[in-house]
Amino acid sequence: GQQLNQSPQSMFIQEGEDVSMNCTSSSIFNTWLWYKQDPGEGPVLLIALYKAGELTSNGRLTAQFGITRKDSFLNISASIPSDVGIYFCASMNYGGSQGNLIFGKGTKLSVKP
Amino acid sequence: EAQVTQNPRYLITVTGKKLTVTCSQNMNHEYMSWYRQDPGLGLRQIYYSMNVEVTDKGDVPEGYKVSRKEKRNFPLILESPSPNQTSLYFCASRPSTWTGLNEKLFFGSGTQLSVL
Repeated sequence: GQQLNQSPQSMFIQEGEDVSMNCTSSSIFNTWLWYKQDPGEGPVLLIALYKAGELTSNGRLTAQFGITRKDSFLNISASIPSDVGIYFCASMNYGGSQGNLIFGKGTKLSVKP
Repeated sequence: EAQVTQNPRYLITVTGKKLTVTCSQNMNHEYMSWYRQDPGLGLRQIYYSMNVEVTDKGDVPEGYKVSRKEKRNFPLILESPSPNQTSLYFCASRPSTWTGLNEKLFFGSGTQLSVL
């Protein structure tokens, strides 16, 4: 089936550093999403991307929908301790009868104060 | 407050003892889904439901059952739990199944299940 390859699997960074993670697939999608899961909670949507090449920001977070429609990246600038958590990329092709999300395996981010 | 509520939050049980994890949403969402989260494997879909009385298998349905008798509730049933079903489970819901921009999946806070 379709799979999303998310990297890196984990990151240990110093507070204030920038972070970059990405997600790739062999399949084409028309929606890319980034979720964050805080420890002990369910994932929460951060950014949604709908068009190839689209670049969207949400505060210190920036995500881009790749031109080939097979990849996406998420950048976090000037990281802070509350950025700790697991970040998931997710993708789907809406329309038709399903529209189920496919999730990457996650990037676990640790931030050292 | 709009939310997806799962119960219980933590559950320890023994092999073979039937259990049910409840999920309820107050947003009138048609679509509901169950995921399990395991280290290194991310979120894998177990079952989903497009609407009342409409359910379908996800990627890892073996050993699980679901029902959707009412719009707001989507319980996950383990008839005979086994240790490989020890996992963190999430219920999720979202609005309309037929519009394009229906990606806003709302997650519950999770149920940590341990099967001994």
